[in-house]
Amino acid sequence: GDSVTQMEGPVTLSEEAFLTINCTYTATGYPSLFWYVQYPGEGLQLLLKATKADDKGSNKGFEATYRKETTSFHLEKGSVQVSDSAVYFCALKAGGSYIPTFGRGTSLIVHP
Amino acid sequence: DTGVSQNPRHKITKRGQNVTFRCDPISEHNRLYWYRQTLGQGPEFLTYFQNEAQLEKSRLLSDRFSAERPKGSFSTLEIQRTEQGDSAMYLCASSRTGPGDEQYFGPGTRLTVT
Repeated sequence: GDSVTQMEGPVTLSEEAFLTINCTYTATGYPSLFWYVQYPGEGLQLLLKATKADDKGSNKGFEATYRKETTSFHLEKGSVQVSDSAVYFCALKAGGSYIPTFGRGTSLIVHP
Repeated sequence: DTGVSQNPRHKITKRGQNVTFRCDPISEHNRLYWYRQTLGQGPEFLTYFQNEAQLEKSRLLSDRFSAERPKGSFSTLEIQRTEQGDSAMYLCASSRTGPGDEQYFGPGTRLTVT
C-alpha cells in the first residue's frame, strides 16, 4: 500500500540556519504530495503541495520539489525562525482519493 | 470562517465508559473526516462523510466506534466501552467536494483512558 517515510526528529537548529526535512514515498500511480505543519495545541495546516512530477510547492519561505525519479518530496527553508518550531508531516494522496496517507511527523525546534 | 471546532478539547475517562466527541466543520464544507493520531505518529484515517452520508470507514474503526452526521452539519464520534488503547488525539477535518480540495483540521480532542 501507499506509505510515507520521514526523517526522525527532533531536528534542532539555531535561528537563521538552513532546514531540510527528508520525505520519501511509496505509491502506485502518480500521487499528489503535501507538507502539513502542526503548531503546539493546534490542528494540522496545509503548508504546501505539489500535484505532478517536477512541481515545486512553496509557502512562507518553505519549498519542496516533487521528484518522481527518487520518490522524494524534501522540505527546505533557507533561514528558519523560532516561530517555525512545530511538527511537520509529509503526506500523499493517490489519484482521485480524498484521504491522505501521512508520515510520522518530524519535530523541528529552533533556538534563538 | 471560524474554522473547524472540536469539543471537548480534552477528555479523561475510565476504561469501559462511553465517550462522545463533537466536530463542527466550516459551514460551507460538505465533507467531514475523522482521524486518530497517537504519539509520534501521523493522523490515521477513520471515516468520512459527504453531507449526512458516511461514505468510507477504515478497518481501524472497530465495532465500538460509531460516527454520525445527522443533518450534514456537525458530526459526533462515539466510542463505547473504551479501552486504554483508545487513548489518542481524535482529529476532525472538513473540505469542499473535490479530491483536490484542501482539508481544514480542527485542534483535536485528546482522549485519555485510565
